[in-house]
Amino acid sequence: AQKVTQAQTEISVVEKEDVTLDCVYETRDTTYYLFWYKQPPSGELVFLIRRNSFDEQNEISGRYSWNFQKSTSSFNFTITASQVVDSAVYFCALSEAEVTTDSWGKFQFGAGTQVVVTP
Amino acid sequence: DTEVTQTPKHLVMGMTNKKSLKCEQHMGHRAMYWYKQKAKKPPELMFVYSYEKLSINESVPSRFSPECPNSSLLNLHLHALQPEDSALYLCASSQDDRRFEYTYGYTFGSGTRLTVV
Repeated sequence: AQKVTQAQTEISVVEKEDVTLDCVYETRDTTYYLFWYKQPPSGELVFLIRRNSFDEQNEISGRYSWNFQKSTSSFNFTITASQVVDSAVYFCALSEAEVTTDSWGKFQFGAGTQVVVTP
Repeated sequence: DTEVTQTPKHLVMGMTNKKSLKCEQHMGHRAMYWYKQKAKKPPELMFVYSYEKLSINESVPSRFSPECPNSSLLNLHLHALQPEDSALYLCASSQDDRRFEYTYGYTFGSGTRLTVV
């Protein structure tokens, strides 16, 4: 069974501080995909990154960076020099790569972490 | 066009009403999904369509009736809903090729906020 744990319910920071969001996952599959999505108050889920289980390279995109540690089943997300526009709920999600009747098309989402950035 | 468009953005309906939510994409995606999201919770999968055929129904009550009339359009017909059905309803689409990475290009719409009174 798949499980994604985002232990931090809410993180509050002051603008320009760095913030790291933790994501720990469980899966029996050897091939899987991990995602991060941002959900601002307007509601849409904004895709941030997709990483397959064979690619353990860390990634940086502007102020965003991701640290994938397969040995600890973690896929953490850091926002550097946070801004007020970063205030949102961030979801980590897992999707199996092997197609089965039960799993196909499904994401297992974590509970989400609310990030509040104040000026 | 790299978007999933959902209409309406907001909907208020009575428990005896019949209404429909609409979702449209023109990315050539052949898999489309409906999710339900309650406040402060992650999205929960309701239905999956693949090549216009229903592939997964996550034990959703029959008062929710999905329809996929063509490869670009996905509807969710609502009838006799309960106040607890009030939520954000998200549509998503993705490329569907079971040989490869079926979650490639997975894109969510901005959702319909539904209030049942």
